[in-house]
Order: sequence, then C-alpha cells, then structure tokens
Amino acid sequence: QKEVEQNSGPLSVPEGAIASLNCTYSDRGSQSFFWYRQYSGKSPELIMFIYSNGDKEDGRFTAQLNKASQYVSLLIRDSQPSDSATYLCAVYTGGFKTIFGAGTRLFVKA
Amino acid sequence: GAVVSQHPSRVICKSGTSVKIECRSLDFQATTMFWYRQFPKQSLMLMATSNEGSKATYEQGVEKDKFLINHASLTLSTLTVTSAHPEDSSFYICSANIGGGVDTQYFGPGTRLTVL
Repeated sequence: QKEVEQNSGPLSVPEGAIASLNCTYSDRGSQSFFWYRQYSGKSPELIMFIYSNGDKEDGRFTAQLNKASQYVSLLIRDSQPSDSATYLCAVYTGGFKTIFGAGTRLFVKA
Repeated sequence: GAVVSQHPSRVICKSGTSVKIECRSLDFQATTMFWYRQFPKQSLMLMATSNEGSKATYEQGVEKDKFLINHASLTLSTLTVTSAHPEDSSFYICSANIGGGVDTQYFGPGTRLTVL
C-alpha cells in the first residue's frame, strides 16, 4: 500500500514566522511531488511541485525534497494569517496515480 | 496556470434523483481527469480516473453503477450520481492532467451536493 503521511496538526505559528510542513512517502519509485493549499470549503490549489532532490523556491515558499529519506517539506517564510489553510502533500507514483496525504492544518496567528 | 471549471457549484436534490456534475478544462486539453470526494474535515478520496474515449477506472469500493463517469472529449468529463441518497452528500471535486509527461493535477472549484 503506497502511502503519504503528514502530521494532521494544527500547526500554529505567529505571523511573520517560518512555517515548516513535512511529508513522508513510502514508494521509492515516486517521481513527482506537489504541495497544494486548501482553504475550508474550497478545492485544493497548487502551490508548488518539485521533481529533483534539493530546494526549490517560489516567493515565500520553498519546497525541499530528499528522495533518499523519502521526505518532502514545504517552508513558508513570513507567514501571514491568509496562509491559514490545510496543506496537502501529493506524490505521483506513475500510471496516472497521485496519492494525497491527509493534510496538515496551519494556523497563523496575527 | 491551467483552469478547470465545474458546474454546478452547489446542488440540493431529493433522495432518489440523479445529479450530473460537469468538469471542463478551459484552456488546455486534459488527457486524464480525476474525480474526488471529500467529506467534512476529511482528506480527498479518489473515486475514479477517466481518460478521454475510454471507460473510467474506479477505485476499490466505489460503485461504478452509482457514480457514472463519461469523458466524452478532451475538455469535458461528467460525473452522474444516480439515485442519490443522503449519504452521498459530499464535496465532489474534479481535477485534470495536461498529460504529455506533465503529471500535475489542476483542480476544479468543486461541487457541494446535498441530498435531502
């Protein structure tokens, strides 16, 4: 059973701090990794994707991938109250299969 | 980015009726579309994967005769909930994949179904 694990949270950080969201996956053959943000009552919105080991930065967001450790993370710098949402980690394992984690709820306190 | 629309955004129906939800890729051709269901405060649950012109692949435990999926074109997939019951009330979300080696899924805004 291929799995994607996330801490459900809630993760609470003060405004302006760095929020660190983590995700582990079980399938070593996984090829692509995604982070989605989902506000309550809304559908998921793509934030970033990463394919290669290392860091990928986009504005206040940095995705980090370590395939040896089967670990992917998302850092949000200068967290804002508007970043409060559930963050879904998704892993593409091939054959049209993308597995989603259950999500981590982030709460940014003003 | 790629835009996916869904219609309707919200539907309320009586028990026993059928409801059709449309999912459209607006600015790209989607070789593959996915249908998810999400109950309150729970994670996304993949229901089925559909490829244009072929039968959908349903996940284990999803009744294909109850959730009819038709992927008639590269820009349109429909999900029909047949003989809906209150337990089918949920948030239904479609997503689309551009294909061609790009495996990113772009989600529609979702359809909230309430069955009375």
